[in-house]
Amino acid sequence: RKEVEQDPGPFNVPEGATVAFNCTYSNSASQSFFWYRQDCRKEPKLLMSVYSSGNEDGRFTAQLNRASQYISLLIRDSKLSDSATYLCVVEPGNTGKLIFGQGTTLQVKP
Amino acid sequence: EPEVTQTPSHQVTQMGQEVILRCVPISNHLYFYWYRQILGQKVEFLVSFYNNEISEKSEIFDDQFSVERPDGSNFTLKIRSTKLEDSAMYFCASSRQGDAFFGQGTRLTVV
Repeated sequence: RKEVEQDPGPFNVPEGATVAFNCTYSNSASQSFFWYRQDCRKEPKLLMSVYSSGNEDGRFTAQLNRASQYISLLIRDSKLSDSATYLCVVEPGNTGKLIFGQGTTLQVKP
Repeated sequence: EPEVTQTPSHQVTQMGQEVILRCVPISNHLYFYWYRQILGQKVEFLVSFYNNEISEKSEIFDDQFSVERPDGSNFTLKIRSTKLEDSAMYFCASSRQGDAFFGQGTRLTVV
């Protein structure tokens, strides 16, 4: 089983749509969880950390289910500028080492 | 806004040559990392560095690779004898605690 697994997509959605990405991780001892965004040929940029209680930042909502080892990201009211690859990232221990998923590509169309 | 900076942005080298990739982490960060991304593939962890020593390294980070923090600001990755399969984007990252911030990357092309 892959350490971090994501549906690669692509997800093609119209502007204004709501889209959800899912991710599963294999190491039940994982400590921290993040969503990063990566534009084509650019560096990953932190979008948000993911907490057990769930957290929201504007149009973005992240949730974590430790029992199912499952992480999700919901984007409401999609904008053209949301088009990117969304990376599910897990920190297995307290070392700062990050394990990246393959990424899910989102294309928002007018 | 403070950022991680990397030089050069693009390096072309012949197989067998040594390359040094340079990074200036965010100044008050304590943890430093190198990651790589082969074109079309996922971002892969190479090494983490804390308190002037390697804290963890991956299987990719073999004897051909080394890291140094030669002074208070720079953090370097050296590849001693490059192979074709080392061609990738190399990202430096730093963190204070938790969230890691990435540099814009160095695209290494081995020919």
